[in-house]
Amino acid sequence: AQSVTQPDIHITVSEGASLELRCNYSYGATPYLFWYVQSPGQGLQLLLKYFSGDTLVQGIKGFEAEFKRSQSSFNLRKPSVHWSDAAEYFCAVSKAAGNKLTFGGGTRVLVKP
Amino acid sequence: ETGVTQSPTHLIKTRGQQVTLRCSSQSGHNTVSWYQQALGQGPQFIFQYYREEENGRGNFPPRFSGLQFPNYSSELNVNALELDDSALYLCASSSLAGLWSDQETQYFGPGTRLLVL
Repeated sequence: AQSVTQPDIHITVSEGASLELRCNYSYGATPYLFWYVQSPGQGLQLLLKYFSGDTLVQGIKGFEAEFKRSQSSFNLRKPSVHWSDAAEYFCAVSKAAGNKLTFGGGTRVLVKP
Repeated sequence: ETGVTQSPTHLIKTRGQQVTLRCSSQSGHNTVSWYQQALGQGPQFIFQYYREEENGRGNFPPRFSGLQFPNYSSELNVNALELDDSALYLCASSSLAGLWSDQETQYFGPGTRLLVL
């Protein structure tokens, strides 16, 4: 069965500083990987996705993620955080893009002025 | 392009009651998936509907049921509500050209927050 672990429950970062959110997955075959962001009281917005090809993927809002098969990881990064990036971030995996998503527990990001 | 919409936005029910949540999929999408997100947790897959048929189910009891209509909108029904059913219910739509398509991504609605007292 597939599973996703996000080791950091909370991360606090200063505005303008860089951000990295960790995601480790467990899945036997090549996974389809996603990062979603959820603002308080809102639904999930897709930031980026990896299906195949270049292991460094670019997303919206200046985010990028790198797929590392050897480490079973798909970490999310942003070079310079804005106050509006304060939200909860979820990593998810599926066996195909349209199939069920298995989510991690999420990482809540707080941005200090 | 019309996004995914859900109704109602909030709902309060008492234990033992039944509830129906609704979802309108994004224009051009033929698949709807439902997720339950308990407070402080990641979403959990309930089931998926493709062309009006259930196309996969998560670890939820039969009192969670669904429907998909010819216009691809969907309903989630929960019978005999329990306190633990209190959660944010998320609907996601996508487009499966065929059961083996691998090029579609799920887009989420804003959710319905259900409180069971």
